[in-house]
Amino acid sequence: TQLLEQSPQFLSIQEGENLTVYCNSSSVFSSLQWYRQEPGEGPVLLVTVVTGGEVKKLKRLTFQFGDARKDSSLHITAAQPGDTGLYLCAGAAGGGADGLTFGKGTHLIIQP
Amino acid sequence: DAGITQSPRHKVTETGTPVTLRCHQTENHRYMYWYRQDPGHGLRLIHYSYGVKDTDKGEVSDGYSVSRSKTEDFLLTLESATSSQTSVYFCAISESWAGRNEQFFGPGTRLTVL
Repeated sequence: TQLLEQSPQFLSIQEGENLTVYCNSSSVFSSLQWYRQEPGEGPVLLVTVVTGGEVKKLKRLTFQFGDARKDSSLHITAAQPGDTGLYLCAGAAGGGADGLTFGKGTHLIIQP
Repeated sequence: DAGITQSPRHKVTETGTPVTLRCHQTENHRYMYWYRQDPGHGLRLIHYSYGVKDTDKGEVSDGYSVSRSKTEDFLLTLESATSSQTSVYFCAISESWAGRNEQFFGPGTRLTVL
């Protein structure tokens, strides 16, 4: 069984600060997705990383896939209250269409 | 946004009753999934489908069955609901390519079993 360990579980910081969320596994993934979820809604896909060492940027969010494709990180620069939410990482095991393995999520609160 | 709807959005039922949740997509995606989300566990895969009448079990399939008679519809049935099946259920769709398996989620169904 593949596992994704996500940390920290909870994070509350002030507006303007930087933060990093980590997603780690002992298993190799063919791709890794990051989602953001608001209360009462379904997860929304932010980014997919596929290649080891890949870095993708989405405005103030930077996503990195580890060289060995076992871990990933999400870095937010100058966090804004609108960044508040639940961030989920999810890994795909192979090239087919099996379900994703999800981390337990990081609850992020950005205080004004 | 991907065209995915789930019905009902909220349901309260009693232990021992059958319950069916519906997922409907307008994207013509081949793959469909059912997950449940619980505090402390995150999202866990219940069942998935890789085509009409083709389904397979996920991590937490006990007590659940699924059916897919049309590309656009994926049904999740709890034959005899138990309190442990109180959860938020999400449907997802995917058109996997090049190992990406990007999944798009519906709005969820909150199920309470009393």
